[in-house]
Amino acid sequence: QITLKESGPTVVKPTQTLTLTCTFSGFSLSTSGVGVGWIRQPPGKALEWLAVIFWSDDKRYSPSLKSRLTITKDTSKNQVVLTMTNMDPVDTATYYCAHTLSTTWTLDFWGQGTLVTVSS
Amino acid sequence: QSALTQPPSASGSPGQSVTISCSGTTNDIGVYNYVSWYQHHPRKAPKLIISEVSKRPSGVPHRFSGSKSGNTASLTVSGLQAEDEADYYCSAYAGSNFWVFGGGTKLTVL
Repeated sequence: QITLKESGPTVVKPTQTLTLTCTFSGFSLSTSGVGVGWIRQPPGKALEWLAVIFWSDDKRYSPSLKSRLTITKDTSKNQVVLTMTNMDPVDTATYYCAHTLSTTWTLDFWGQGTLVTVSS
Repeated sequence: QSALTQPPSASGSPGQSVTISCSGTTNDIGVYNYVSWYQHHPRKAPKLIISEVSKRPSGVPHRFSGSKSGNTASLTVSGLQAEDEADYYCSAYAGSNFWVFGGGTKLTVL
């Protein structure tokens, strides 16, 4: 059974760096084809893909946010970490991590998400 | 503005069928058969209900079906039930941009 859970601060101040951790079980990020992606949803708005990391350590970022994002993995801990620099109130959103396979390009299992509010 | 276009709302009575559209471009839906649909109840994890245009994951009722024509994908919910009331999002693989999403459709069961 695949599960994912996001963790991190609920409130960050403008200009600070956000660090979110996705802790997962039921799969290994060392298995060929496996990836973990991050997606966010501002209140009342649409979902937005942020970044993805694959078993091979291949990393891809949303072009519009690439300069602010870093994604890393710790295979031994079953964790993926996303950092986002220079946070702004418009970055207030629920942040999700999700499992994917490069054979289906589907985000098939999601965490429940964590709400991050950017406010001074 | 979302990359994929969905109607903001849809509704139907119990037992009826409802179809939700998802309009994309030749860079996503039009070129790849990697369209997914998610059911999202508030404060829960989004649930995959359709992958690769029309595939139902294990455990998803046959009432849910997906299709694609050109740059537009569709989700049909047949035999509407009260528990189907939720937000529905489409997503498409878009090559180097990976995933694009629709703005979501709030489905109301009357």
